Amino acid sequence: AQSVSQHNHHVILSEAASLELGCNYSYGGTVNLFWYVQYPGQHLQLLLKYFSGDPLVKGIKGFEAEFIKSKFSFNLRKPSVQWSDTAEYFCAASTSGTYKYIFGTGTRLKVLA
Amino acid sequence: EAGVTQFPSHSVIEKGQTVTLRCDPISGHDNLYWYRRVMGKEIKFLLHFVKESKQDESGMPNNRFLAERTGGTYSTLKVQPAELEDSGVYFCASRSGHDYGYTFGSGTRLTVV
Repeated sequence: AQSVSQHNHHVILSEAASLELGCNYSYGGTVNLFWYVQYPGQHLQLLLKYFSGDPLVKGIKGFEAEFIKSKFSFNLRKPSVQWSDTAEYFCAASTSGTYKYIFGTGTRLKVLA
Repeated sequence: EAGVTQFPSHSVIEKGQTVTLRCDPISGHDNLYWYRRVMGKEIKFLLHFVKESKQDESGMPNNRFLAERTGGTYSTLKVQPAELEDSGVYFCASRSGHDYGYTFGSGTRLTVV
């Protein structure tokens, strides 16, 4: 069955620390991958997306993600987090040609000032 | 442009009552999606409209849930009668035909007591 796994459910970091959130997917065929973020009290926002081409994808607010096909992974990274990055982060996938997402369970990130 | 609007933002109802959630997508977005997140779990797909037609309703939990999209504009999701397990956050999202990324609303938090 198609699935998306986020293994870190809660992450606490100090400001300026580096961030890496794991995302693994289980899909047959070509897959499109996304990271969304939900800041407290706000709606889900698209951070970045991967369809094809360069496996290193840069998104908004200094985030990037790397698609590693051999590992079925699409980890999210940021070299130096800020207090304002405190939010919940969701990895999602869809099969190429469709637009229906399968989400991971989300990772709550808390950044300490 | 205006975003996706959902209301109410919160609803607390008793088991057995009826609740109707509403979603106003971005103007011109033919694709409208409903998703639900039960506490602690992943965000799950409920259904997809293209204009006023249901394209995919494979995620609807049971026949207590009824979704409509009048004239291809706003959409409603009715739960009748509500059960305790229906509690969660209901997200609506819309998408234009030219983009893979969704624009999400802020969600409706439904609590059934």
